[in-house]
Parts: sequence; structure tokens; C-alpha cells
Amino acid sequence: EIVLTQSPATLSLSPGERATLSCRASQSVRSYLAWYQQKPGQAPRLLIYDTSNRATGIPTRFSGSGSGTDLTLTISSLEPEDFAVYYCQQRTNWPITFGQGTRLEIK
Amino acid sequence: QVQLVQSGAEVKKPGASVKVSCKASGYSFTRYPISWVRQAPGQGLEWMGWIGTHNGKTNYAQRLQGRVTMTTDSSTSTAYMELRSLRPDDTAVYYCARVLYYDSSGPFDYWGQGTLVTVSS
Repeated sequence: EIVLTQSPATLSLSPGERATLSCRASQSVRSYLAWYQQKPGQAPRLLIYDTSNRATGIPTRFSGSGSGTDLTLTISSLEPEDFAVYYCQQRTNWPITFGQGTRLEIK
Repeated sequence: QVQLVQSGAEVKKPGASVKVSCKASGYSFTRYPISWVRQAPGQGLEWMGWIGTHNGKTNYAQRLQGRVTMTTDSSTSTAYMELRSLRPDDTAVYYCARVLYYDSSGPFDYWGQGTLVTVSS
């Protein structure tokens, strides 16, 4: 199975700053990587799919990049509502796997 | 609008079974597969399995093989996930999620609200 390792585990930033979240895969995921945002008590929300495609209604400050085994989610300028947990997910091979998550907290 | 509405919270004893439902609306049910994902308290997301809603084909996480069954009822646009031989570490919020692409494994563009299943003696 493809293991996804997210870093850092926790990221402390202030509103207006740029956030860079990393997802490293144990083998190439090609382009089949998605990012989700989850807030407490809520279901995850799809942000980015197939590495760099924004899901419907997702603001342009969210962007995805990378290829192969090193993928990145960037939030260009943090808004107060962006502080949450972020998960990466691959669909290249069965089983589908998720990273362990990065908690983005207010500094 | 697309909605996935799940059944309510359950409390079960170890060894029992639970069946969670996920009723879809706002789209053609058989055009998009459904996956199930669970989240133990304070933990990350764990994929459980996938079902093709047009043909009933399934793919389960190996660690749940033999204990989980996923089915659909296209007449009511409802997906079901049954988990048997429950253990305390099955305590989690269970989510259904719609797969964005027809006949693909992901990603998951719409999610149910979650169903808390508590396993305790």
C-alpha cells in the first residue's frame, strides 16, 4: 500500500501568512492526489484533486503542486477560516490511503 | 443540490453488528460510486471500502475483509455499510462519500454528515 507522510504535523501561522503543507508518498502517486480540509465536528471537504485542480467553490488562495512522491498544498494568504486539519489522499492504487494530517493552527 | 444523509448514532456491544445507511439526493445515484471512511476519536481518516453503485462491485480495505459488507439500493438511492463482530476499537464516526468520477476510486467530492458508532460493553 502507498504510505503518505504529511509534514509538519502542526503548523502555527498568522492570518495573512503563506502556508505550505507537504505530503510525501512511499511510491509515485502520479497525479492522483487530493487534499481535504476538516474542521472540528465536520466532515472533510475536498479542496484539490488530481494534484492541482481546485474543487467546486474552493477559493483561489488554495493551490496544489508537485508530482511523483512529493506533493504540496499551498494557501497563499491565510484567512481565519483556514485554520483546520488538512489531509492528503491518494487514489493511484488500492487501497486508497490518507496521510495522517497536518493541523494548521493560529499563532 | 447534492446531499448524502446518513442514519443516526448507534451504541453497540462488542460482538454485535451495525448497519449504517447513506441516502443520496440531488444527482443520479448510479452514476457515481460511494466510498466509506471512518475516523476514530481524535484520529485521522481511514478508508474502509468502495462500491460501484451501477453494478454493486466492491473493494474493501484488507484489515476489514470478512467483517464489512457494502451494498446499495438504487430504488431508494441508498448505500449501506454493515460491520460485524464489532470491537471497542471500531468506535468511530463513519462517513459515506461520493466519488467524483464515474467508475473511479476517488476523489470524494461530497460527504455525509457522519454517523457515530460507539462500541462498549
